[in-house]
Parts: sequence; structure tokens; C-alpha cells
Amino acid sequence: DSGVTQTPKHLITATGQRVTLRCSPRSGDLSVYWYQQSLDQGLQFLIQYYNGEERAKGNILERFSAQQFPDLHSELNLSSLELGDSALYFCASSLPPGGEGGYTFGSGTRLTVV
Amino acid sequence: GQQVMQIPQYQHVQEGEDFTTYCNSSTTLSNIQWYKQRPGGHPVFLIQLVKSGEVKKQKRLTFQFGEAKKNSSLHITATQTTDVGTYFCADGTGANNLFFGTGTRLTVIP
Repeated sequence: DSGVTQTPKHLITATGQRVTLRCSPRSGDLSVYWYQQSLDQGLQFLIQYYNGEERAKGNILERFSAQQFPDLHSELNLSSLELGDSALYFCASSLPPGGEGGYTFGSGTRLTVV
Repeated sequence: GQQVMQIPQYQHVQEGEDFTTYCNSSTTLSNIQWYKQRPGGHPVFLIQLVKSGEVKKQKRLTFQFGEAKKNSSLHITATQTTDVGTYFCADGTGANNLFFGTGTRLTVIP
């Protein structure tokens, strides 16, 4: 157990639907990062929050949005889902905003869009 | 965005052989991190390199940061089946996020 909790572990949904992925960071970590990993692909940075505020955006589609709540958990919302959105979605956390000392990753949510 | 290239993309080795993966950037990196992702697992932080020419060791793993801070390498001596997985380098230059390399998938043949 890395200390970063992601739910659900698996999600199967139809095209056009909307889903919410949830992440609880490791205790004490203020930064949360979302990454997408498609089959046989690397880790694509989506978005970062630090202590409730959006800090950086990567290649995140307009159909996707995220937020970090006062208790520091974060949610990634994916809407108007397409087949190509099928992927592993990882959440990671770190204490400092720059991630010095490494990120701690959760076990991921595997999203399958059918 | 940042581009960090890793080679090779795939590597198959016989158990006991050495393995090296290389990470190259066209720009100077402030720091580089290495992660390992086991099959079906999540990335796990291995190490961070910050200084030019830095070399760090973790048992059979040796990490190097180039003098110009544009490249890095991970060398595994005498691979074991437990070393199987994908090794990623990550550019930590950005203040707020890591940009991961393309990864090297290591297969160890018993």
C-alpha cells in the first residue's frame, strides 16, 4: 500500500457517459497529480493541484476536469467519453509542489469505454 | 512541452546479464527522477539525481546524471527476474510536475 488511494480500481462505461475518479493523497502530501497511461504508452501528465489550487495543466482534454477539495482528496471528471479514453488513470501525490523526493503513485483506475 | 527520450524501448536479457537504459533530453534538466513500474502495477519512485555528473547506487542499480545534465542512465548489474518491469526517467525541471520519458520495458529470461 503506497498510501495513495484511488477508487474505483476498474470502471467500464459506454461512450458518451461521464465518470468520476477519486484520489486520496498520502497523509501530509499537499500536491496531487493526475496522469493517463494508455496501452503500451508512457505517462501523460494531465493536471496538478497544490493545497486546493490548480498549479499546472498538461495535455488535458476540455472534456476532462478535476478539482481538489479542502480535505485534499481530488476527483478527475471525464465526460462525453470516447473509446480512445480507455486507459489507466493514475493519481500521485507529493509533499512539496515540485515533487522533490519523488511522487507516490496510487494503484490506478482502469477505465474501459465500450 | 518537455521531451525526454529513452532508449531502448524494449530490452530482453538473460538472467545474470547486465542492463542499461538511457534517457536523453535536448534541454538542460534541473533534476531527473527514475521510476520502476512492474507489470500490472504502478510507478514506484527509485531515485532523484540533481548534481552534474552525479552517480548513485542502490544495490545492483547504478544511476548516473550527465555532466551537461542533459542525459542520464540506469544500469542494472546481474539482472534477476525481480527486475522485470518498465523503467521510466522523468524530467523534474518544471516547478509543478514531472514529464516522464517513454520508458524501457525490461524482460528477464530465466
